[in-house]
Amino acid sequence: AQSVTQLDSQVPVFEEAPVELRCNYSSSVSVYLFWYVQYPNQGLQLLLKYLSGSTLVKGINGFEAEFNKSQTSFHLRKPSVHISDTAEYFCAVSRGGGTSYGKLTFGQGTILTVHP
Amino acid sequence: DSGVTQTPKHLITATGQRVTLRCSPRSGDLSVYWYQQSLDQGLQFLIQYYNGEERAKGNILERFSAQQFPDLHSELNLSSLELGDSALYFCASSVGGLAGIETQYFGPGTRLLVL
Repeated sequence: AQSVTQLDSQVPVFEEAPVELRCNYSSSVSVYLFWYVQYPNQGLQLLLKYLSGSTLVKGINGFEAEFNKSQTSFHLRKPSVHISDTAEYFCAVSRGGGTSYGKLTFGQGTILTVHP
Repeated sequence: DSGVTQTPKHLITATGQRVTLRCSPRSGDLSVYWYQQSLDQGLQFLIQYYNGEERAKGNILERFSAQQFPDLHSELNLSSLELGDSALYFCASSVGGLAGIETQYFGPGTRLLVL
């Protein structure tokens, strides 16, 4: 089975500062990796996903993540955050390998708060 | 707006009762997923339906059941409710049945409070 650990439950940053939200996964097989964002009082929205190919994945709203197989990590980064990026961010993993019926397993979430 | 609708938005009920949560997927999506989000358990996958048939099961209690109808909307039935069932229940949909690959589009959720 796959599992996900988000290393920080809360990350406060100032506007226009860079941010990194950390995600580590555990799996004995290949995986697919996702980052979802949940704005206050809303459902989750996909930011980006890694299925194969380039380990640097670019997503919406200026976010990117890098898949590091040796460190089993998939950290999310943004070079300059805005107030509107304040939200909860979820890392998720599924079993990889071709077509997959595998379910998504989510981390516990990281609350990003951007201060003016 | 993801295109996934859920009703009701809020639900308050008593222990021992039964409730039904409803979800309409995005137009054209064949899969519906149900998730439970609570402070202690986080976001947990409950069940997936694909084109009317159960595709995958997660941490769904026996007191809970779901179904997907021919028009592809889905209902999640929660019975013999306990205080610990209080949570935010999300529905998501995707175009096909490949949960591990496809983008899932989430609805706004139904907040259930069991008193």
